[in-house]
Amino acid sequence: AQKITQTQPGMFVQEKEAVTLDCTYDTSDPSYGLFWYKQPSSGEMIFLIYQGSYDQQNATEGRYSLNFQKARKSANLVISASQLGDSAMYFCAMREAFTGGGNKLTFGTGTQLKVEL
Amino acid sequence: DTEVTQTPKHLVMGMTNKKSLKCEQHMGHRAMYWYKQKAKKPPELMFVYSYEKLSINESVPSRFSPECPNSSLLNLHLHALQPEDSALYLCASSQESGNDSPLHFGNGTRLTVT
Repeated sequence: AQKITQTQPGMFVQEKEAVTLDCTYDTSDPSYGLFWYKQPSSGEMIFLIYQGSYDQQNATEGRYSLNFQKARKSANLVISASQLGDSAMYFCAMREAFTGGGNKLTFGTGTQLKVEL
Repeated sequence: DTEVTQTPKHLVMGMTNKKSLKCEQHMGHRAMYWYKQKAKKPPELMFVYSYEKLSINESVPSRFSPECPNSSLLNLHLHALQPEDSALYLCASSQESGNDSPLHFGNGTRLTVT
């Protein structure tokens, strides 16, 4: 069975600093996908970034980058130049392989990030 | 603005009521999902529809009944719920398959069962 672990229940970062949110995973599938989502207090889940298991380069999307270390089974999210609006819950998720249609995502327990002045 | 629209945003219902949650997307996605999320917990998958057919039911109690009338709409019919069913219900959609297809979520319906 696949497993996603986020070991940081809460993180603080000062505005304009960079922050790394940890995510480790466990799977026996050679092909998998890893996603990061942001959930503000309003409730919407916002897709941030994706990393495929066969991607040679680390994914980047604006201020978000993914530090993908396949051998260590880690996919940490790096947020550069933090802004007050980055304060939210962040979830790491993995696509599970299954024979049916659609993408079955399993989420980690999340990290609550607070950006301070 | 999210491209997945959920209504209502808030719902309070008694344990004997029947209500429905609605979800709509116009991105041409052929897979749609219902997730349940309790406070300070990750979302938990309930149902997956692919090409309007039920693909996954994660052993959800029968008091939750999903329906996919067409490729753009997804409903969740609620009947005889329990107070512990109070949660945020999130709808999502994605391309039908592919490792790199993210789920696009709506803003959710906050359900309170009294």
